[in-house]
Amino acid sequence: SAVISQKPSRDICQRGTSLTIQCQVDSQVTMMFWYRQQPGQSLTLIATANQGSEATYESGFVIDKFPISRPNLTFSTLTVSNMSPEDSSIYLCSVVLQRPTDTQYFGPGTRLTVL
Amino acid sequence: AQSVTQPDIHITVSEGASLELRCNYSYGATPYLFWYVQSPGQGLQLLLKYFSGDTLVQGIKGFEAEFKRSQSSFNLRKPSVHWSDAAEYFCAVVARGSQGNLIFGKGTKLSVKP
Repeated sequence: SAVISQKPSRDICQRGTSLTIQCQVDSQVTMMFWYRQQPGQSLTLIATANQGSEATYESGFVIDKFPISRPNLTFSTLTVSNMSPEDSSIYLCSVVLQRPTDTQYFGPGTRLTVL
Repeated sequence: AQSVTQPDIHITVSEGASLELRCNYSYGATPYLFWYVQSPGQGLQLLLKYFSGDTLVQGIKGFEAEFKRSQSSFNLRKPSVHWSDAAEYFCAVVARGSQGNLIFGKGTKLSVKP
């Protein structure tokens, strides 16, 4: 597996502001993903973070709301923009170390509360 | 559409008792199958996975799961539960050769009685 860290681990933010979440991996990975886990719910994929190109977003998620960067093979950021209380969730990054097994390993998550 | 069903939202077992958590999937072909565990306030930890071969797979922390193609099931088992096993358990699938979109079940919360 790999060591995956996320910053911040938690935050409380005001409505209308933005928060950038960082995901750092201790080795180069082939794929990185961002998930959202709303309170009491399962995980939903937001997007695939592509190195060197625009992220691939799932239905219901848009770049203006959740811009993603992936400047290299070990790092990615997710920004939650113009936040509302409905954005209160745990945001998790995951990585695939090698294809084709597609085993995803998850970071510890960022717990976001929007007031 | 692809889906994963975990029919039990909440299960309570006594410490030392056996455990079985159910998971059924709906997919066009046999996907890759996973079980993850999430302790309170933590991220997801991979317990075990099935790709092919032996249908009984062993994982960490004494867990095992059995893949049954005929029933589209991948149930998680442990012969003797410990208090530290109290957590939320998620079954997940991904299509072979896909771009990695894990489909998760809604999770089963496990409580352990002393």
